[in-house]
Formats: sequence, structure tokens, C-alpha cells
Amino acid sequence: DTAVSQTPKYLVTQMGNDKSIKCEQNLGHDTMYWYKQDSKKFLKIMFSYNNKELIINETVPNRFSPKSPDKAHLNLHINSLELGDSAVYFCASSLSNVAEQYFGPGTRLTVT
Amino acid sequence: KQEVTQIPAALSVPEGENLVLNCSFTDSAIYNLQWFRQDPGKGLTSLLLIQSSQREQTSGRLNASLDKSSGRSTLYIAASQPGDSATYLCADWVTGANSKLTFGKGITLSVRP
Repeated sequence: DTAVSQTPKYLVTQMGNDKSIKCEQNLGHDTMYWYKQDSKKFLKIMFSYNNKELIINETVPNRFSPKSPDKAHLNLHINSLELGDSAVYFCASSLSNVAEQYFGPGTRLTVT
Repeated sequence: KQEVTQIPAALSVPEGENLVLNCSFTDSAIYNLQWFRQDPGKGLTSLLLIQSSQREQTSGRLNASLDKSSGRSTLYIAASQPGDSATYLCADWVTGANSKLTFGKGITLSVRP
């Protein structure tokens, strides 16, 4: 049973396109997150949702729009993709915003 | 602003050695601290979570300690094995509204057979 799943695992696209990454957790957690891991492997939070409400938005360009249709899902839509968006994007979830976090397998986005 | 530092960035040890991975943080007002493992091309696996009221946590050959006053945490790995080769990251939450997890850059461990 996969606790936190993401689709797709790999995403290759051209500059200017719009793409979405989906995340689902079956842990019954209230809080979900999106993280970006850059080419230097540094991991940084982008967004956090608690009970479908946005609670953290870390000065991410507004081309990135998270959407949480319910507590178990947090999707990430990216408009007008740029070369600098190439990275690995991780979804995570936790019982609360200071509880142990569980990560998905990541989505490797390559923008050409 | 919380900064989490992990030094060295890489470590290579022979199999069987006991080792300590260090993590330091600038703001000692933290809720919890979590250690993760990341294998190449994979996601993060949670290893241990230490709550701010705790001094250490143990799981199998792993022991993590937390000293808030000195702004340090250590991950002790006993009798290292080649399968322990991975990147180990520590991350913590600073107290306050909308607390978020701040990561160190990780220590890449290689255990030689």
C-alpha cells in the first residue's frame, strides 16, 4: 500500500507549456505539502495545505498553483513552464503541520 | 530565519564502523526535528522524529539525539552496512504560526564493503 503517491514519476516538456502533477495520500492526514528539490539536491517547501486550506506559500511564482480538492489530494499546476522549473517535486503529508512528514516518490520535471 | 547545517557534505567509511552524522540549527526554539534518508532517485524515508521535549529516539541500529540549547542533533549509526549508503537529511520546525520544515543539505554516506 503506497502511503503518498505522485503521478507522473517523470515529466518532460517544452518551455511555455502548462503541466500538472497529482498527489494522493491514504494516511488520513490533514496536512499536505509540495517541496522542490533543485539540482544541488536542496529541498525547500513551496506550499502547505491544512484541511484543504492554504497555510504556507513560500514566495513561489504565481505560475505555480496548488489545488486541494479534498484532504487526501493536493495537485500542483504549473503554467508557462521555464527552464528553471526543472527539478524534482515532492509531495508530503502529515497528521498536523508539526507532525512527522511522509514523502512521496517524487516527480522529476525536465523542461527543454 | 532558521538555518540547518550538515557537515561534512559527504562521508565514506568501511563496513562495520560506528558513525555519527551531525546537524546544527541556528534557532533553538524548535517543535520537533526529523531525520530522513534519501536513496538516489528516490523519495525521502522518515527515520526518526524527536519531539522538542525529548533528548533522543532509537530505531534498530539508529539513535538520534537532540540538544536544543546547543542547537545540535546527531544521528548515530551502529555497525554500518553497505545498505546504509544514502543521503541523510535532518530537518526541523521552528515554533510559531504556520511552522514549516527547514532542511539541511544532507550528508551523502558511502559504506565500503
